Amino acid sequence: AQTVTQSQPEMSVQEAETVTLSCTYDTSESNYYLFWYKQPPSRQMILVIRQEAYKQQNATENRFSVNFQKAAKSFSLKISDSQLGDTAMYFCAQGAQKLVFGQGTRLTINP
Amino acid sequence: DGGITQSPKYLFRKEGQNVTLSCEQNLNHDAMYWYRQDPGQGLRLIYYSQIVNDFQKGDIAEGYSVSREKKESFPLTVTSAQKNPTAFYLCASSPLGRSSGANVLTFGAGSRLTVL
Repeated sequence: AQTVTQSQPEMSVQEAETVTLSCTYDTSESNYYLFWYKQPPSRQMILVIRQEAYKQQNATENRFSVNFQKAAKSFSLKISDSQLGDTAMYFCAQGAQKLVFGQGTRLTINP
Repeated sequence: DGGITQSPKYLFRKEGQNVTLSCEQNLNHDAMYWYRQDPGQGLRLIYYSQIVNDFQKGDIAEGYSVSREKKESFPLTVTSAQKNPTAFYLCASSPLGRSSGANVLTFGAGSRLTVL
């Protein structure tokens, strides 16, 4: 069975700091994808970053980057130069044809 | 603009009533999904469909039903058999295959269902 675990229910950092959100997963699939989604107070789910499991190179999107450790089944998200607009729930997700989501990390960026 | 439209945004239901949540997409995506979100929990998959007239149960399908008569539409019915239906419901779609956007879910704005 697929499982995704986010061990940090809440995190809080100061604006401009760097923060890392943790995610571990378990799967028997050989080909799969990993995602980080953001859900701001509007509750609209927004894709942050995507990683293909067969690619060793870590994905980056501007201030967002991941540390993908396939053997350890770990997929952490690093947010550099954090901004007030980064305040949101962050969900890690894993899968191929269907995605399994973690329980989320509530991130607050303080001015 | 392409996207996913969910309606209604808010819905109130009396116990024992069935309700249907609408989900329409104009992204030409093959796959569509319904997720349920409860406070303090992540998204849990209810049903998904990869092709018209076919759909599969997700992890929490009991008390729900769906149809996929058109590629663009994937309505979800919350039946009276669903024991705790109050939740936030999210519809999503994705392309399939090997394109760069494959398996990337695009979400609607959600529907909040409250049972009175």
